[in-house]
Amino acid sequence: AQRVTQPEKLLSVFKGAPVELKCNYSYSGSPELFWYVQYSRQRLQLLLRHISRESIKGFTADLNKGETSFHLKKPFAQEEDSAMYYCALSGAGSARQLTFGSGTQLTVLP
Amino acid sequence: DTAVSQTPKYLVTQMGNDKSIKCEQNLGHDTMYWYKQDSKKFLKIMFSYNNKELIINETVPNRFSPKSPDKAHLNLHINSLELGDSAVYFCASTLAGGSKSYNEQFFGPGTRLTVL
Repeated sequence: AQRVTQPEKLLSVFKGAPVELKCNYSYSGSPELFWYVQYSRQRLQLLLRHISRESIKGFTADLNKGETSFHLKKPFAQEEDSAMYYCALSGAGSARQLTFGSGTQLTVLP
Repeated sequence: DTAVSQTPKYLVTQMGNDKSIKCEQNLGHDTMYWYKQDSKKFLKIMFSYNNKELIINETVPNRFSPKSPDKAHLNLHINSLELGDSAVYFCASTLAGGSKSYNEQFFGPGTRLTVL
């Protein structure tokens, strides 16, 4: 069974401070990990995926297979980063379904 | 040129009623999904269709019946609505690749269902 855990339901940081949103997963095979973001009153959208090893809007995430983690980081948070962030896992199978974590509501304070 | 659209955006109804939510995508994708986001913002897969065929049916009451008339549409019909059905329902779509590829899922704006 695949599972994604985001231990922090709410996270507040001040503008300019570093931010880290934690994500741990459980999966027996080789997972594909993603971060999705939902800004206020907008639809869910892909932020980044571990395969691409990219930085989007200053965010990065490294897959650590030893710790089964995929934490999302940004060195200097901006107010526009305030949103709901979901870590998600896609396992094998033709459906390519996503298993989501419970989400972390990030608030960046001025 | 909306990619994934859902109607209605808001749905308020009485317990016991039957209602439908529609989803359409114009991305040429072959796989569509329904997700449920509960009051605690937890997102869970409900159904997945690939080329109009049901391939995922999570533990969902059989009052929920998805229907895919073609690859571009996946509708969700709910019978005998209950208070616990109140949630935001998201449709999503993707182009299912080979076993080693992943294509981004594109989400609709969501339908907020309130059962009174």
